[in-house]
Parts: sequence; structure tokens; C-alpha cells
Amino acid sequence: RKEVEQDPGPFNVPEGATVAFNCTYSNSASQSFFWYRQDCRKEPKLLMSVYSSGNEDGRFTAQLNRASQYISLLIRDSKLSDSATYLCVVTNTGRRALTFGSGTRLQVQP
Amino acid sequence: EAGVAQSPRYKIIEKRQSVAFWCNPISGHATLYWYQQILGQGPKLLIQFQNNGVVDDSQLPKDRFSAERLKGVDSTLKIQPAKLEDSAVYLCASSPRTGGWQYFGPGTRLTVT
Repeated sequence: RKEVEQDPGPFNVPEGATVAFNCTYSNSASQSFFWYRQDCRKEPKLLMSVYSSGNEDGRFTAQLNRASQYISLLIRDSKLSDSATYLCVVTNTGRRALTFGSGTRLQVQP
Repeated sequence: EAGVAQSPRYKIIEKRQSVAFWCNPISGHATLYWYQQILGQGPKLLIQFQNNGVVDDSQLPKDRFSAERLKGVDSTLKIQPAKLEDSAVYLCASSPRTGGWQYFGPGTRLTVT
């Protein structure tokens, strides 16, 4: 089983739609969680950290469920510019670097 | 603030040849990472440095890959000899501390023919 699993998509949604991605992780001792965004042929960029209490940044909301070991990202009022691959990222005790999921591709259509 | 710099941006080599990539992290960042990203997959950590010491190289194919970070600043990643399956984007990232989020460079796209 992969350490971090994501639905690869693609998720094709119209502008203005609300879309949600989930990500599951296998190590219950995982410590920190992030969502990164990666545009085609570009490097990953931090979108937001994910906290146990949940956090919101504009149209983006991230949630963490430690009991079920999943992380979610909700995007409201989708824009064309949100089209990208969204990478779920986890850090684990004993391995201090980031473990990436394979990403979920989002395509927002006019 | 200048970002993470990498060179070259693109490289095409034949299998069994050697290749080297260079990374200059953000000034003051103690931690440096090299990742391999194969098309359609997420980045996979190859090696992590804290200053000029190796923290984690458990996923580095040491029979052909090597990396160093002299003086705790710039780093080079070398592949010798290259195989077809090494075709990927090699990403360098840095962070001010371990466990935190990372800043990525633009990557080097390697094609092995």
C-alpha cells in the first residue's frame, strides 16, 4: 500500500463549481500535512498547510481527519486558473522529508 | 528573495552516459532535498541534507546516483551511468528547517535515450 494515496482524476468541473479532493495516508504517526499545487511542467508550490482544526484560505478549505487518516481539500467557486494537479503531502516521524501522493488533476472548464 | 536555482533546465543523454545537476538553495536554508519526479507521479525523495550532512538517502540508488553538498550551500546530484528509467524531472528544494514546507526550484528535465 502506498504511504499517500490520491484519486488521480481528472476532475472536470465547470467554472463556479465546488470540488473536493481526498487523500489517505497509511502511517498513523504522520505529523504534518500539506497541499501543494503543481501546474503543468512547473515545480510544486505550497498551497496550504492542513491543521487538525481545519483551515481556510479564501476559496480553499483543508481538513484533517486523524482517526480515519485522510485529508481533504475543498475548492469553492472554481476558476479557470485553478486547473492544476493538487499534491497531498505528509511528513512522518523518522523521515523528516515530505512524502507526496501522485496528485489529483483538476480541469476547470469555461 | 531569490528562489531555488537549478541548472541545466533540460538535458538529453544516451544511456550509460553520465550527467550532473546543480542546485543553489535559498540563502540561509539549512535543509536541501533532491527529488525525482517521473511523469504522472508525485515527487519521490532521493536525498536530504541538513547543512552539509546527509539526513536521509534511503531511496537513493547508490550504485549509480551520488550527491554532495559542499560547504552546506550548493549541491550537485550525479548519475553514472544513466539508464532509460532515469528519465524524469529532478527537483531540488530547500527549507529553513526540517519538517516544514519546502520551496522548489524549476527542476531539470532529463531524457535518457
